[in-house]
Parts: sequence; structure tokens; C-alpha cells
Amino acid sequence: KNEVEQSPQNLTAQEGEFITINCSYSVGISALHWLQQHPGGGIVSLFMLSSGKKKHGRLIATINIQEKHSSLHITASHPRDSAVYICAVSKTSYDKVIFGPGTSLSVIP
Amino acid sequence: NAGVMQNPRHLVRRRGQEARLRCSPMKGHSHVYWYRQLPEEGLKFMVYLQKENIIDESGMPKERFSAEFPKEGPSILRIQQVVRGDSAAYFCASSTVVKLSDTQYFGPGTRLTVL
Repeated sequence: KNEVEQSPQNLTAQEGEFITINCSYSVGISALHWLQQHPGGGIVSLFMLSSGKKKHGRLIATINIQEKHSSLHITASHPRDSAVYICAVSKTSYDKVIFGPGTSLSVIP
Repeated sequence: NAGVMQNPRHLVRRRGQEARLRCSPMKGHSHVYWYRQLPEEGLKFMVYLQKENIIDESGMPKERFSAEFPKEGPSILRIQQVVRGDSAAYFCASSTVVKLSDTQYFGPGTRLTVL
């Protein structure tokens, strides 16, 4: 079993829809990362969380340490949000990162 | 403040040649991480370095791969006698580790193709 799981694996949404991507992990962590990767592109760090909730523009990330679960929400989705979203965890913020398999999101106009 | 820089962005090598991938961390960052993304697979940790020290190399293949982060200059990931299975995207990340809230910042990656 992978230490970091994500669901769904693939997601297609209509422009404007509210999107949720889920991440669950089985190891003890102090930091959870949400990353974005466009096709053939680099990786952008969206959030790093250790507790609670963070918001940046239309993106919201939450984490429940007790349940070992995190969600990434995208409000008012747009085609430019189409990318692979990767959940990753680390024991500390400076420890090696263990990546989930990614969720491929496609937002259709 | 420039972000994490990696070069080259694309590298083509023939089997048996050497590949050298460079990573310049963000200014003020003293910690560098190398990750590999094989085709159709997820990202995997390779090695974590501080200046002149390898902290964790548990993800590095035991043969042909080496990494360094000298006192001056970029971090280098070196692959000797490359094989087709080494074709992948190699990402570098850096962090400050001044605060526990400091995140890792990723570079654009080097895409290695072995012919």
C-alpha cells in the first residue's frame, strides 16, 4: 500500500465548478504539500500545511492531522487550472518528501 | 530573487555516456533535494544534501549515480554510463530550513533522454 493516496485519479470538470481533490496518508508527518504540475512542465508548490486551513486565491487546502487526510479545493474552476495536482508529505518541512500518485484535472470550457 | 535554476532543461545522451545535471538553489537556501519522475510514474525522492554534506541518499540507485553540493557552485547530479531506463525528468528543490514553516521550492526540471 502506498504511503500517500489520492482520489480521484482523474477528474474532468466544467468551467466554474467547485473541485475537491483528496489525499490520505499513513505515515506520521509534520508537513503536507500540495503541488501543481502542468504537462511537460515544472512543479509549483501551492501549499505547505501542518494544521488547519490555508487559502490562496481560488485555492483552499485543509488538513486533519488526526484523520491523516487533506483536501485541496478549487473554487470557480477555470481551464487554466488543468494540471496534475500532487499531494506529498514529509516528516518535517525539511525532510525528504513522499509523493502521492497525482490527480489529473481537466477543466472544460 | 530568482527561483531554483536547473540546467540543462533538456539533455540527450547515448547509452554509456555521462550525464551531469546542475541545480542552483534559491538565494539563501542551503538545502537541496533531487527527485526523479520516470515516464508515467510519480515523483520519487533521490537524495538530500546540505553544503558539502549528503544528509540522506536512501533514494539513490547504488551504482552509477552520485550527487554533490560543494561549498561554492551548484549541486550536481551525475549519472555515469547512462542506460535507457535513466530517461526521466529530474527535479531539484531547495529550502532554507530556518523555520519549520519553510517549504521546498522546485526547479523546472531537467528532462534526460537516453538514446
